[in-house]
Amino acid sequence: EVQLVESGGGLVQPGGSLRLSCAASGFNFNNFAMAWVRQSPGKGLEWVSVVTASGSKTFYADSVKGRFTVSRDRSNSMIYLEMNSLRVEDTAVYYCAKDRMLLWFGEFDHWGQGSLVIVSS
Amino acid sequence: SALTQPASVSASPGQSITISCTGTSHDINAYDYVSWYQQYPGRVPKLLIYDVNYLPSGISDRFSGSKSGNTASLTISGLQADDEADYFCSSYTTSSTVIFGGGTKLTVL
Repeated sequence: EVQLVESGGGLVQPGGSLRLSCAASGFNFNNFAMAWVRQSPGKGLEWVSVVTASGSKTFYADSVKGRFTVSRDRSNSMIYLEMNSLRVEDTAVYYCAKDRMLLWFGEFDHWGQGSLVIVSS
Repeated sequence: SALTQPASVSASPGQSITISCTGTSHDINAYDYVSWYQQYPGRVPKLLIYDVNYLPSGISDRFSGSKSGNTASLTISGLQADDEADYFCSSYTTSSTVIFGGGTKLTVL
């Protein structure tokens, strides 16, 4: 059974930093791109970033480019989202999501339960 | 900005509904990597449709997808009470990113 478990969320002040983690299990982690998708309270889904299966490529939404960094640890089946210069508008539930295929085409067949990040003074 | 979906749709049990999702030549019209997700309040999104019109294992064939030009569509036939949820479309883009629709709230009357 595929499992994605996020951790690291919490309350942070504007301008602060936070690191989210996602532990993956139940599938061959090294064969799939992994992404972060967020959802602000009562709002829609917003794709944040992706790291390809090899870890060699990363892509970001314009809203987080230059502030967030995604990475993966292939040995431990983990992905991370380093978030810096956080803004109030970054407040959201952050989901770790598995891409359906080896190649990155942005179709997510499994999602974690989410980690809530609140940016507030 | 987001793909354009109607904010809400409603219909009675047994009827069919179609939710549209409009994008541009840089996303929906560029590739066949259009997905649809179902999300119940407080729950995690679930993949309903991928590659425009393919159903993941375990998804009812009452759900179907299509695409024409810049617009993708999700059709739900034989509406049931537990279809009441939020539905989001998404598309891969020419920038190797993903864009979601704003979401559509389906109410089963």
